Amino acid sequence: NAGVTQTPKFRVLKTGQSMTLLCAQDMNHEYMYWYRQDPGMGLRLIHYSVGEGTTAKGEVPDGYNVSRLKKQNFLLGLESAAPSQTSVYFCASSSGQGAKNIQYFGAGTRLSVL
Amino acid sequence: AQTVTQSQPEMSVQEAETVTLSCTYDTSESDYYLFWYKQPPSRQMILVIRQEAYKQQNATENRFSVNFQKAAKSFSLKISDSQLGDAAMYFCAYRSKQGGSEKLVFGKGTKLTVNP
Repeated sequence: NAGVTQTPKFRVLKTGQSMTLLCAQDMNHEYMYWYRQDPGMGLRLIHYSVGEGTTAKGEVPDGYNVSRLKKQNFLLGLESAAPSQTSVYFCASSSGQGAKNIQYFGAGTRLSVL
Repeated sequence: AQTVTQSQPEMSVQEAETVTLSCTYDTSESDYYLFWYKQPPSRQMILVIRQEAYKQQNATENRFSVNFQKAAKSFSLKISDSQLGDAAMYFCAYRSKQGGSEKLVFGKGTKLTVNP
């Protein structure tokens, strides 16, 4: 079972370059999330989506854009990368069915911006 | 806004011994969920245990159990009979039942080392 798959696993960018991180889930989940993890910090929510065609801002949305054109995919874009965006990025999904549902995480993408 | 605090950046335990990781949180809500996630060196986030605030009984999952003190807003994780494979970062997380987004708020984590 694939679960949540993130592409790519590693990436190095130069300041000002753009890129898109892809998250794909095969669990038919309604909700999807993008987090970033920095040293000494927990995961912080960047953007999230509660269904196809919807997106919303999380705790640290500046410098990022997202799209959810298909239910199974959630894309995170960096239009003009900055060194402050060097981080490990995690995607997660959940069923959106309340009580017993949990978030399932991808393996993360390590991004370095030089 | 809710906050989650893990006051122990690092902990260590001898193999087969018991260790307790601390977590406190701040919220004005009366019903919510709490989670402990494990992140081994592979970076994969793995759910260890969860607790619903309205349930007074502490959750248990094999060697993992929690001590949930709602009035004190405390949610500690106890690992019994520690194994080398338990070495990882452990994150405490809060999820509101309001708003419908099911977002998680994480603490900064505790790095657990298991000594043979």
